Amino acid sequence: NAGVTQTPKFQVLKTGQSMTLQCAQDMNHEYMSWYRQDPGMGLRLIHYSVGAGITDQGEVPNGYNVSRSTTEDFPLRLLSAAPSQTSVYFCASRSSGGAYEQYFGPGTRLTVT
Amino acid sequence: RKEVEQDPGPFNVPEGATVAFNCTYSNSASQSFFWYRQDCRKEPKLLMSVYSSGNEDGRFTAQLNRASQYISLLIRDSKLSDSATYLCVGFSGTYKYIFGTGTRLKVLA
Repeated sequence: NAGVTQTPKFQVLKTGQSMTLQCAQDMNHEYMSWYRQDPGMGLRLIHYSVGAGITDQGEVPNGYNVSRSTTEDFPLRLLSAAPSQTSVYFCASRSSGGAYEQYFGPGTRLTVT
Repeated sequence: RKEVEQDPGPFNVPEGATVAFNCTYSNSASQSFFWYRQDCRKEPKLLMSVYSSGNEDGRFTAQLNRASQYISLLIRDSKLSDSATYLCVGFSGTYKYIFGTGTRLKVLA
């Protein structure tokens, strides 16, 4: 059981480039989300999805797009990378019922120069 | 004021010691709370949920005090492998999770 997987593990981009961070889960979880983690700050929610075809903005959505065409996949797109987007990105998922416990992927370390 | 506040530490304790972390929250609408463990350069991993009646999982005990709006985590008989950052998390609906910045624990041999 792989849980939540993310690719790539590391990425370096130049300012203005675009890219997609991949996230997949095999737990049949309805809810998925993207967070960024910066030093001295708690994890901050970028976007989330409560099911295929349904997405919503989190706390820090600017500069990022998401879509959810399947239950398993939830990619995060950086439209035009900026140095302020240098961060560690975590994808997470949880089931729609139960005890609201989230499970995280291993993260993507992104540097924008 | 941050919605979830933790003492950043570090807490340096000898092996075998008992250590306690507290976390305070400001949103009284928060429904559920969790403790996550995060190792350096790794993802957060769920340690335990926190129930109003208090709950225990082996050497770990979590308590919730809604009147005073704080959550605690007690680790007994600390092991070297307990060295990590412990994140306090509050949940208040749909996808509103608020993460504390974490408390660093270092267990010394």
